[in-house]
Amino acid sequence: AQSVAQPEDQVNVAEGNPLTVKCTYSVSGNPYLFWYVQYPNRGLQFLLKYITGDNLVKGSYGFEAEFNKSQTSFHLKKPSALVSDSALYFCAVRVVSGGYNKLIFGAGTRLAVHP
Amino acid sequence: GAVVSQHPSRVICKSGTSVKIECRSLDFQATTMFWYRQFPKQSLMLMATSNEGSKATYEQGVEKDKFLINHASLTLSTLTVTSAHPEDSSFYICSRTSGSSYNEQFFGPGTRLTVL
Repeated sequence: AQSVAQPEDQVNVAEGNPLTVKCTYSVSGNPYLFWYVQYPNRGLQFLLKYITGDNLVKGSYGFEAEFNKSQTSFHLKKPSALVSDSALYFCAVRVVSGGYNKLIFGAGTRLAVHP
Repeated sequence: GAVVSQHPSRVICKSGTSVKIECRSLDFQATTMFWYRQFPKQSLMLMATSNEGSKATYEQGVEKDKFLINHASLTLSTLTVTSAHPEDSSFYICSRTSGSSYNEQFFGPGTRLTVL
């Protein structure tokens, strides 16, 4: 079955420190991978995607993600965390089902950045 | 700026009534839009794929007669929760595709439904 796993419910990091939010996937074929962020009572905002090419993908707000095919991972990273980065982060993979492209989301990881 | 809007942002209704939620694509003619449901502290669950001019495609376990979807134009999809009950209380989010072949999605701000 095609799926996305985010093994950590919550990640805590001090402001200014690097952060990593983990994501692993299981899909058939080449994966199309995405990261989204959700602030309280808001919809999801697109951060970045991996389709093909360089394994290190740069996105919005200074975030980047590294695609690792051998480990089937797509971890989200940022060199220096901000308190304003505190939010809920979702990893997603595109699948084709019933003739439609759909996104399957991980369970989400809450990032808490402490001053 | 926002590319997908939802209305209302918050609605409270009595059990047994029906509630309509609108989702608009502001800058793109979207033949396909998606409706998700999100429970507190949980991930998004795809409910259905809304198709302009044809019937929606519902995910397994989603009652099509309870969650009516209409996609009458390229910029508007509506979700009607019929005969709502307290267990239907949730955060409903719609999205549209980006238009590229890789189909990242752009999401609306969501609608918080509370059924008393």
